[in-house]
This record gives sequence, C-alpha cells and structure tokens, in this order.
Amino acid sequence: SQTIHQWPATLVQPVGSPLSLECTVEGTSNPNLYWYRQAAGRGLQLLFYSVGIGQISSEVPQNLSASRPQDRQFILSSKKLLLSDSGFYLCAWGNYGHEQYFGPGTRLTVT
Amino acid sequence: TQLLEQSPQFLSIQEGENLTVYCNSSSVFSSLQWYRQEPGEGPVLLVTVVTGGEVKKLKRLTFQFGDARKDSSLHITAAQPGDTGLYLCAGGTTDSWGKFQFGAGTQVVVTP
Repeated sequence: SQTIHQWPATLVQPVGSPLSLECTVEGTSNPNLYWYRQAAGRGLQLLFYSVGIGQISSEVPQNLSASRPQDRQFILSSKKLLLSDSGFYLCAWGNYGHEQYFGPGTRLTVT
Repeated sequence: TQLLEQSPQFLSIQEGENLTVYCNSSSVFSSLQWYRQEPGEGPVLLVTVVTGGEVKKLKRLTFQFGDARKDSSLHITAAQPGDTGLYLCAGGTTDSWGKFQFGAGTQVVVTP
C-alpha cells in the first residue's frame, strides 16, 4: 500500500530564515506530487506540482520554491521566510487518476 | 480557472439530524472528490464520482454528482459526533495534468 510522509510536523522559524519541508512517498512509482497551503479551517491553495523528476510547475508567484530530486521525494523551500508564509502545508500524490492522497501536513509558524 | 463553491460554509447540528453540503461550479469536471479533514491532519479521501448522475453511498453518507457534472452534494443521515470535520470537494479535468480545484470547505460540527 502507498504511504506518504511529511516532516517536520511542526516548525517555528523567524522571519528571514530559510525553510526546507520534505515529502516522500512509498509504494508507488512516478507519482504526480503536489504542495498545497491551507489557511485555518479553509480550502487548499495549490502551490506547486510535479509530473516527474526535475519537472516543477508553479501555480502562484511567491517566496517559495520546490524541487524533486528523486522520483518519490518532493521538497518545498524558501531562502528567506516572510510572516505571510505561515500556514499548514500539505503534500499529496496522485497517478493521473481521479484522486489525490495527502500527507499529515506541516504546521509552519513564522515569527 | 474553474471555481468550486461550497455551501454552507459552516453547519452546526445535533446528533441524529440530517445534513447536506453542496459543491457547485459553472464548469464541467471529469471527476469530483469529497474529502474530510480533522484539525491538524491531512484531508482523507471519502469518495470519487465520475459519471453524471452518479450516486455513491458510504454507510450514512450519500454522494451525488450532477447530471451535467458541474455540481455535487454530500448528504449525511443521522449525523454522529464522529462526522465532525471540514468537508472539502475537489474537481478535476482531463486536461489539467492531474491538478484539482478545491472548494473552500464546509465546517460541520455535530454535538451530542
């Protein structure tokens, strides 16, 4: 069965510091991978998606970037965090099917 | 850009009551998914509907996809406190490279 991991689970970072969030998937090959951000109690905003190694599409211009160094690894990064980067970050995978499966999320607080 | 509108935004009911959540769009989707999310966790997929007019049942939950594949509803019969959560709908299209458009969610609270 497929499993998706995210870490860290929570993170508190000062403004201007760098960021690296990691997502890995097990039990599937060549998945589509996605990064979302969610405001408290609301819907999901798609940030990046990837259909293969090194292939990243950005949905929203922002202070963040994404990379996919391996087939089942997806990384969300920032060189300098802003207060507005605070939120709940979710990674998901899909296989061109009709579903996406989400990881447990990372709660980021920028202070 | 397809927009999915969910209504109501918030719903508070007593245990045993029924409820319906709606997901509407002016665009056609090839598939529509419903998720439930609890605080601090990732959304969990409940169901996917792909055929216009399709009805799927999951215990006390009934999901329907509109005939024109532009809208969907989620009906919960005899709600229980365990049904509490944020319900999200998401629509996909065949030309969207596996991307999904999410609604803003409906927060459901079921009190004993």
